[in-house]
Amino acid sequence: QLQLQESGPGLVKPSETLSLTCTVSGGSISSSSYYWGWIRQPPGKGLEWIGSIYYSGSTYYNPSLKSRVTISVDTSKNQFSLKLSSVTAADTAVYYCARQPAAIDAFDIWGQGTMVTVSS
Amino acid sequence: QSALTQPASVSGSPGQSITISCTGTSSDVGSYNLVSWYQQHPGKAPKLMIYEGSKRPSGVSNRFSGSKSGNTASLTISGLQAEDEADYYCCSYAGSSTSWVFGGGTKLTVL
Repeated sequence: QLQLQESGPGLVKPSETLSLTCTVSGGSISSSSYYWGWIRQPPGKGLEWIGSIYYSGSTYYNPSLKSRVTISVDTSKNQFSLKLSSVTAADTAVYYCARQPAAIDAFDIWGQGTMVTVSS
Repeated sequence: QSALTQPASVSGSPGQSITISCTGTSSDVGSYNLVSWYQQHPGKAPKLMIYEGSKRPSGVSNRFSGSKSGNTASLTISGLQAEDEADYYCCSYAGSSTSWVFGGGTKLTVL
């Protein structure tokens, strides 16, 4: 059964870069059938799509975050990663990674989420 | 990129039916049949309940159904059960430059 697991620092200082990795187990990230996405949720608030990547490296970003976001994929490790630069307190959130089957255009399998706090 | 509009809260008694609306624009909900709905219990990751407007993933109860009219998508839950109490989010494709936009979420209370 496919599982996704986020990992990375839980505390990041303002103006620094937030870096998270999503490890995919029970399946290959290199399948042409899927995109892989990042979604975040500030405490007590709603979901926000950050961006998605195809195994080939093609990326799609939320226009409101595009200037600060980089998503990459490492097929040898079955992982994809998120980098968000110049973070502020507004970037404090639970960050989820999720699978996006191209055939259904929805996020069908999610990681458990990881809380990232931006604070000095 | 504006979020889709959902009511902040809805409620219903066990056995009843409720509907949650999700209003977008002609650039997202109105242009694509790519609305999905997610259920989120406190402290848990979202769970896909409906995709492509009205299709249910394997394992999701047929008490959950989706529909769309113009720029508004809807999620209906029939035969409400206590376990349905959760937050519900809609999501729509919004074109290649914007990609995906979520609604603000609706808290469902089962009375």
